[in-house]
Amino acid sequence: GENVEQHPSTLSVQEGDSAVIKCTYSDSASNYFPWYKQELGKRPQLIIDIRSNVGEKKDQRIAVTLNKTAKHFSLHITETQPEDSAVYFCALRKAAGNKLTFGGGTRVLVKP
Amino acid sequence: NAGVMQNPRHLVRRRGQEARLRCSPMKGHSHVYWYRQLPEEGLKFMVYLQKENIIDESGMPKERFSAEFPKEGPSILRIQQVVRGDSAAYFCASSPGQGPHEQYFGPGTRLTVT
Repeated sequence: GENVEQHPSTLSVQEGDSAVIKCTYSDSASNYFPWYKQELGKRPQLIIDIRSNVGEKKDQRIAVTLNKTAKHFSLHITETQPEDSAVYFCALRKAAGNKLTFGGGTRVLVKP
Repeated sequence: NAGVMQNPRHLVRRRGQEARLRCSPMKGHSHVYWYRQLPEEGLKFMVYLQKENIIDESGMPKERFSAEFPKEGPSILRIQQVVRGDSAAYFCASSPGQGPHEQYFGPGTRLTVT
């Protein structure tokens, strides 16, 4: 079945620095890769996603890169701000299915 | 346009009781997904339903758990004879249909079994 490894599990950065989170997967049939941000006690919220026909996507301070050959995708947050502090989850979906498989999460702390 | 609604937001049950969690998808959405999140862990898929149909229940425990999405009304996740290990946040998500559609998450139901 699908498996997603997410690293690191915790990440502490200084305000203004960049944060990078990486996920690796094993099933080459995966074709949709969303990233969710979850604040304490809140619902997961989609912040950016990428599909298998695209290598990189950017939305303001957030970018996602996908390497299908190596089977990994990464989230990049630039110019981090205290409100970026949250748990971030990568996820993926196979072409034939609709369920999302999630990584274990990365707790990001942005220190002012 | 109201988002995905879940109720109750918090539910406390004693061991052995039944828990019923409800999810109303976004307007126009006919696909519902249930995920479970244990403390300090990621979300795990449980079941995917369309109206009156279970499409994928590969993540559902074999016993005590069931789900439905009737023609009218919300989707229901039912847990019978709850145990302490069922304590978790249960999230529902909805989407318009199959394929490359984003899943929108509800606020979750936090179940505590005492």
